[in-house]
Amino acid sequence: NAGVTQTPKFQVLKTGQSMTLQCAQDMNHEYMSWYRQDPGMGLRLIHYSVGAGITDQGEVPNGYNVSRSTTEDFPLRLLSAAPSQTSVYFCASRGTSGDEQYFGPGTRLTVT
Amino acid sequence: AQSVTQPDIHITVSEGASLELRCNYSYGATPYLFWYVQSPGQGLQLLLKYFSGDTLVQGIKGFEAEFKRSQSSFNLRKPSVHWSDAAEYFCAVGENTNAGKSTFGDGTTLTVKP
Repeated sequence: NAGVTQTPKFQVLKTGQSMTLQCAQDMNHEYMSWYRQDPGMGLRLIHYSVGAGITDQGEVPNGYNVSRSTTEDFPLRLLSAAPSQTSVYFCASRGTSGDEQYFGPGTRLTVT
Repeated sequence: AQSVTQPDIHITVSEGASLELRCNYSYGATPYLFWYVQSPGQGLQLLLKYFSGDTLVQGIKGFEAEFKRSQSSFNLRKPSVHWSDAAEYFCAVGENTNAGKSTFGDGTTLTVKP
């Protein structure tokens, strides 16, 4: 049982490049989410999903896309990276509403 | 919309001293409340959670928190801090809905003096 895994751990992009941050969980959780963490700003919700085929926007969705084709995977796509997207990205999953969220180890992204 | 305020950005305590981290929330119904801890370079780990019932909840590592509806607060406490407790602490409120989105506070960084 690996929990929530994220790849890569570190990534450097140039402005305008695209990339996908991978997230997978093996706990059969319906709910998955992506957050970004910036100094002094806590975690802000980017996108979330309540099950395969269902996604919705969070607090800061601009510049990011998601899809949920399987219960296990929830990739986050940056279409055209900008320096403002330099951040640490966390993926999380949970079971039913009210359960704790299980977090991945994070991806540290730098956009130059 | 729900919100969470952690008034203290940074707290320093001596090892062995007691600790209280403050958390105030805004939510229109009965909330789900959580405290998470994050060590440097790591993801977040749940310390404790409150859904209903007893307003004093016990968590891991000797932490406890008390839910006070009248004050919209969910403060985290520990009677005697250990050096290994140095970390960043996040309070979160979860929606009591099917989507159940969570909103996090900005965090409190705890430094422990020897």
